[in-house]
Amino acid sequence: LAKTTQPISMDSYEGQEVNITCSHNNIATNDYITWYQQFPSQGPRFIIQGYKTKVTNEVASLFIPADRKSSTLSLPRVSLSDTAVYYCLLHSSASKIIFGSGTRLSIRP
Amino acid sequence: DGGITQSPKYLFRKEGQNVTLSCEQNLNHDAMYWYRQDPGQGLRLIYYSQIVNDFQKGDIAEGYSVSREKKESFPLTVTSAQKNPTAFYLCASSPRNRDRVLNEQFFGPGTRLTVL
Repeated sequence: LAKTTQPISMDSYEGQEVNITCSHNNIATNDYITWYQQFPSQGPRFIIQGYKTKVTNEVASLFIPADRKSSTLSLPRVSLSDTAVYYCLLHSSASKIIFGSGTRLSIRP
Repeated sequence: DGGITQSPKYLFRKEGQNVTLSCEQNLNHDAMYWYRQDPGQGLRLIYYSQIVNDFQKGDIAEGYSVSREKKESFPLTVTSAQKNPTAFYLCASSPRNRDRVLNEQFFGPGTRLTVL
């Protein structure tokens, strides 16, 4: 199964743009890339999903290069409430979902 | 309000007892999932169901059992065969898969199970 690698933690400040990169060298042709956000003692919340190029929604952008071996979640103008764990995962079916350990993002005033 | 409910939020059981965790959704989603999360770790898939009366094992199904008799309900039983059951359990649901792509999953608030 294709694995993902993310930084264990990141720090930033309010108002900054934060980019979290995920490596997935062995991504399969059928795999989609999805990002979730999780606050302590809560279930994860879907942020964004993509297959290639760029996807943007009201909360984030997802950049995927042509070789799809990595992806970058971009959070514009973060606030304290964006402090959470962010998971990058690959999947092509429900039987092949792997949540890694995620990136613990801390936002400071 | 539409959503997923899990009960109870905290659950304590003695070692050797079976315990059943509840998961209900009123989103009219076909697929439902159970995950386990240990401290500082990601989620691991226990079981999933894509349609009523059908379910599949995930990565760590040993020591767990499920049923899917109704579309809106997907209870998980943690049996005495599960060697280390203390964990945070999360239930999720998603709309019917299209083109075998996993749609967005909606998660419940979780149940924290402690086995004494």
